[in-house]
Amino acid sequence: GENVEQHPSTLSVQEGDSAVIKCTYSDSASNYFPWYKQELGKGPQLIIDIRSNVGEKKDQRIAVTLNKTAKHFSLHITETQPEDSAVYFCAAILMNRDDKIIFGKGTRLHILP
Amino acid sequence: GAVVSQHPSWVICKSGTSVKIECRSLDFQATTMFWYRQFPKQSLMLMATSNEGSKATYEQGVEKDKFLINHASLTLSTLTVTSAHPEDSSFYICSAREPPYGANVLTFGAGSRLTVL
Repeated sequence: GENVEQHPSTLSVQEGDSAVIKCTYSDSASNYFPWYKQELGKGPQLIIDIRSNVGEKKDQRIAVTLNKTAKHFSLHITETQPEDSAVYFCAAILMNRDDKIIFGKGTRLHILP
Repeated sequence: GAVVSQHPSWVICKSGTSVKIECRSLDFQATTMFWYRQFPKQSLMLMATSNEGSKATYEQGVEKDKFLINHASLTLSTLTVTSAHPEDSSFYICSAREPPYGANVLTFGAGSRLTVL
């Protein structure tokens, strides 16, 4: 089955700087890569996703890049703000309505004032 | 966007009692829902896939008699923790695949924190 590795487990960034979280996956057939943000005591929320036919996707301060050859994808947050502090999870999926979603172990992002 | 409602958001119970957690898709039909368990500072662990009108599919190591899942309608799945013990204390989160299903986008509930005394 798919195995997703996520790094780093914890990341502290000065407010205004950029943050990068990286994930690698094992199954080259995976073709959908979502990123979820989980705030304390809440359920995860989808913040951005990318499909395997695209190398990069951007939504305001958030971007995701995908390298299919190397089987890794990254989340980039620019101009970080205090509300970006949360746990971020990546996942790699083979799009199929019955497929399970296996998450990385998560990255706890702290935005320092 | 799609909304998944989970209830209760937190529950405290005595050891040996059973607790039911509901997961509802509010504005879409969900033939498949997923139940996750999350320990403090850890990732989401998939417990089972709940299928409307049929038996749930449990992940390896998850006791089906301990964690009863019922998906009786297209908008409701329930997780019952039977004879709960302190080690069952955890954050339980449900999710549903919103249409179009092939897009594989999951919407999560807000989670239910279970504390067993």
